[in-house]
Formats: sequence, structure tokens, C-alpha cells
Amino acid sequence: IVMTQSPASLSVSPGERATLSCRASQSISSNLAWYQQKPGQAPRLLIYGASTRATGIPARFSGSGSGTEFALTISSLQSEDFAVYYCQQYNNWPTFGQGTRLDIK
Amino acid sequence: EVQLLESGGGLVQPGGSLRLSCEASGFTFSSYGMNWVRQAPGKGLEWVSGISRSGDSTYYADSVKGRFTISRDNSKNTLSLQMNSLRAEDTAVYYCAKDVGATSLHFDYWGQGTLVTVSS
Repeated sequence: IVMTQSPASLSVSPGERATLSCRASQSISSNLAWYQQKPGQAPRLLIYGASTRATGIPARFSGSGSGTEFALTISSLQSEDFAVYYCQQYNNWPTFGQGTRLDIK
Repeated sequence: EVQLLESGGGLVQPGGSLRLSCEASGFTFSSYGMNWVRQAPGKGLEWVSGISRSGDSTYYADSVKGRFTISRDNSKNTLSLQMNSLRAEDTAVYYCAKDVGATSLHFDYWGQGTLVTVSS
């Protein structure tokens, strides 16, 4: 299953809202996770089951979608949110999207 | 506190072998599936291999099938990855990652990674 993320990069001002998209090449039900990765660090699980926040993840992060279309929304960007975000499907053997880089505008 | 500590990375020639280890602590190791995920320099994430709680079932990406072997020792809380017939395209940071559940194939804790460089 091929995961395609868009856009490849996104520039947003602190305090604004950001929406990242992820599309699966075939239906994956709600078997989708989102990760955040900062330079030199391991990925961090944000969302699983398409919309369930992982332990300790702030409420400003929300996930939506099912089937083939998914979105990660960050409601009010904080300085620590600027990073690369990956989606990953686990309906079949795991595959990741190519990532969306979220930069400060 | 969950901790995953990888070791064993380094420089190896094409065709060579390397064994990675991951020492786990802070959770009941035998209750969770475990995985290896890699990231080539400047690139995205690629799942490499997974193993069930008991170790009876193992899973591999097509890119490593027949060359890599995953194993675990629940008595020592240790996950391993034996890598044979290494290729330049295996160069990456290798992360040990804990399943959210038994064999959920999504990952709530990751180690800091160990770098494997395959080059002559």
C-alpha cells in the first residue's frame, strides 16, 4: 500500500492552523498513525486509529479520515511543532508516507 | 519509563554482516510485539521487520527478506536483528520500536537509533 502525503512542505506562522494530508492507494479502514520527527530525534507517535491521540499528546493535534483519505490538523501551532510529520498505515505490512516538513513562516 | 537502547551499528563492507541489539526496560517486554524501522540519511521511514510477543511469528519487508533475521530473548528483554549480505542501500539509522499492542504494527516508543553504514 502506497501512502502519499501532501504537501511536501508547508510554511505556517505560529498560532495559525495547519492541515496535513495523507492518501492511501487502497482502503485501509482507520488503520493509520501519524508521527512527528524533529532533527536528530526518533519519531514520536501522535495519533493512531486515524483519530486517537497517543498518551501525552496535546489536544491541539487531531486526526480525521477513514478509507483512503486522512488529515492531521494542528489547531494553533506552537514553536515546538515545527518538524517533519509522517503518516503510516498498518492495515497491511506497515508503510509510511514520504513526510511533510512543517516550517516556520 | 519505557526505554529502548540500540547498539551494534557501525561500518561494514558490502556483503558483510552485522548484528543489532535493542535492550528494553520500563515495560513488560514479553507482552508486546517489537519491530525494526530504518531511515536512510535524509530520507523517510521504512519498516524492516517485526516479531510477535512470544517470538513464534516474524515478519519482514520484501527488501530484506532472506537476508535479515529478527529474534528476541524475553528472559533478557532484548531484541536483535541479524543482518547478512549487506548492501549499500541498507545504509540507514535503525530504530527499535515497540508495538502499541500485541502485533499492532504501529509504534508508541522508539529507541534513539543506531547507524549502519555499508561501504567499501
